[in-house]
Amino acid sequence: DTAVSQTPKYLVTQMGNDKSIKCEQNLGHDTMYWYKQDSKKFLKIMFSYNNKELIINETVPNRFSPKSPDKAHLNLHINSLELGDSAVYFCASSREAGGPFGELFFGEGSRLTVL
Amino acid sequence: AQSVTQPDIHITVSEGASLELRCNYSYGATPYLFWYVQSPGQGLQLLLKYFSGDTLVQGIKGFEAEFKRSQSSFNLRKPSVHWSDAAEYFCAAAGDAGGTSYGKLTFGQGTILTVHP
Repeated sequence: DTAVSQTPKYLVTQMGNDKSIKCEQNLGHDTMYWYKQDSKKFLKIMFSYNNKELIINETVPNRFSPKSPDKAHLNLHINSLELGDSAVYFCASSREAGGPFGELFFGEGSRLTVL
Repeated sequence: AQSVTQPDIHITVSEGASLELRCNYSYGATPYLFWYVQSPGQGLQLLLKYFSGDTLVQGIKGFEAEFKRSQSSFNLRKPSVHWSDAAEYFCAAAGDAGGTSYGKLTFGQGTILTVHP
């Protein structure tokens, strides 16, 4: 039973389109995250939600809009896709909302390719 | 600015050889430190973490890491590498010991490990 699952795993789309990536965790965690891994493998946090409340928003363009309908789900919607949005997007979750925080559990990633 | 550096982009070792992957951090205070492993097409799995206390921490899969404050380093080691250890390894840090990090990890660029039979 997958702990953090993301869909779709692969997404190829044209510039200007709007797309969504969904994430679900069945670990009972309170906090969920979106991380972006660029072509140089740098992983950087984008957003963090704790109990459906936005906690971290790291200077991400407002074309990116996270939505957390409940604490087990965190979706990422991207409007007007650009070439530079091509990356692997990782969802993660953790038990502690504050520290000392423990382990982040990552999904398998969603590879987005914008043509 | 807070940063994590992994000086080696790619390391190749023979199976059975020892391994050391380097990680240096730059933070205002001692951060929490982590090593994650990413196999191809997979998410990241935590190998080990350091919060405080004993500077030598043991992790899963036979890995260990040593925190050296004087060198701002947290190097990952394994005495004998197995072919299944081939993967990419990421060092990460979180800087807020007060508990407001909310999972804001700063990652290094990663080190790709190739294991020759």
